[in-house]
Amino acid sequence: AQKITQTQPGMFVQEKEAVTLDCTYDTSDQSYGLFWYKQPSSGEMIFLIYQGSYDEQNATEGRYSLNFQKARKSANLVISASQLGDSAMYFCAMRTPGSSNTGKLIFGQGTTLQVKP
Amino acid sequence: EAGVAQSPRYKIIEKRQSVAFWCNPISGHATLYWYQQILGQGPKLLIQFQNNGVVDDSQLPKDRFSAERLKGVDSTLKIQPAKLEDSAVYLCASSFGGQGGGLAGRYNEQFFGPGTRLTVL
Repeated sequence: AQKITQTQPGMFVQEKEAVTLDCTYDTSDQSYGLFWYKQPSSGEMIFLIYQGSYDEQNATEGRYSLNFQKARKSANLVISASQLGDSAMYFCAMRTPGSSNTGKLIFGQGTTLQVKP
Repeated sequence: EAGVAQSPRYKIIEKRQSVAFWCNPISGHATLYWYQQILGQGPKLLIQFQNNGVVDDSQLPKDRFSAERLKGVDSTLKIQPAKLEDSAVYLCASSFGGQGGGLAGRYNEQFFGPGTRLTVL
């Protein structure tokens, strides 16, 4: 069965330092997509970065990069130069086959990140 | 381009009462999703629509939850009667819903609304 695991319930990082949020996934499918979302206290889900299962290069989006290790089934998010505004809940999600061509997203439990000044 | 709209943003009801949430997806998006997010957990898909048809409602508690998308645009999610364990954030999302891209492409990315926070007392 498909599953996403985030083993860090909470993380602290000093402002301007880098932090890595862990995500492992389980699937037997060859075609899948991995997403990271940020959810501030206001509640909306903000897309951060995406990695497709066939992508050979690690994805990068500004200060966000995804450390994709396919053989280990891990997709860790790296945030460089942390800012106070990065304090939020972070979710890893996987798009897997669903009942339509658009698939379905399954989410991990989330990691709460606190950036300290 | 306007994002996914949801209302109300907050709702407090007593158990056994009924409640309804509304979602208007991004214009032109054929696929609409309702998620339930219990505090401290990741979102869980309740129901997925493709246009006005249901494609996945396997995790919808059908004895008390119902959803419709009659004209293939906006959607309503209803709970009747509510239980204490229904306290959660209800997120609506939409995606283009086209045939291309496959699962490994970013095509058909889901865009989320601000959510409705439900408290059942």
